[in-house]
Amino acid sequence: GQNIDQPTEMTATEGAIVQINCTYQTSGFNGLFWYQQHAGEAPTFLSYNVLDGLEEKGRFSSFLSRSKGYSYLLLKELQMKDSASYLCAVNSGRGSTLGRLYFGRGTQLTVWP
Amino acid sequence: DAMVIQNPRYQVTQFGKPVTLSCSQTLNHNVMYWYQQKSSQAPKLLFHYYDKDFNNEADTPDNFQSRRPNTSFCFLDIRSPGLGDAAMYLCATSTTQRGASYNEQFFGPGTRLTVL
Repeated sequence: GQNIDQPTEMTATEGAIVQINCTYQTSGFNGLFWYQQHAGEAPTFLSYNVLDGLEEKGRFSSFLSRSKGYSYLLLKELQMKDSASYLCAVNSGRGSTLGRLYFGRGTQLTVWP
Repeated sequence: DAMVIQNPRYQVTQFGKPVTLSCSQTLNHNVMYWYQQKSSQAPKLLFHYYDKDFNNEADTPDNFQSRRPNTSFCFLDIRSPGLGDAAMYLCATSTTQRGASYNEQFFGPGTRLTVL
């Protein structure tokens, strides 16, 4: 089976740094995605990791350790608009299901002024 | 702008009354997905089309069907909606080439289904 775990909720204050962790156990691995989802809206792509290490993109960074089945999303200089759910998703498909993603339940981040 | 479009954004139906949700894309992606997402839960994949090949998830109820008449359009049919089918339904697309591993999915805005 596929198992993606991430904390249910996190809170932080404006301007701070927050790290959202994700652990996974899947039958295969073709990369890990982070998506941001505001309430009532569709998920939007934030980052993708397939090799170990850190990927930085502006205020957002994502880290992957394949040997540990672990990733984190780092958000810097938090803004109120960053309040959203952050979804960790693993691509573990093969062949015709190569694009199949398994999602975690999402981490609801609340940013306080 | 290239995008994924879902209509309607909000759909209300009655218990047991068939309903169809639609998705269209201008990205020319070969893979289209339908997800069900209930409040505070992860998106749950119902099925996907890889080109014309239909791939059903093992735990998707028979009540849910899908059609993809061409590359651009995909439909989700719920034959007899129950109260438990009230959810956000998300359509997504990706481009997948054999041997490629990067498969970002682009999501539509979703259709929120209410069952009365």
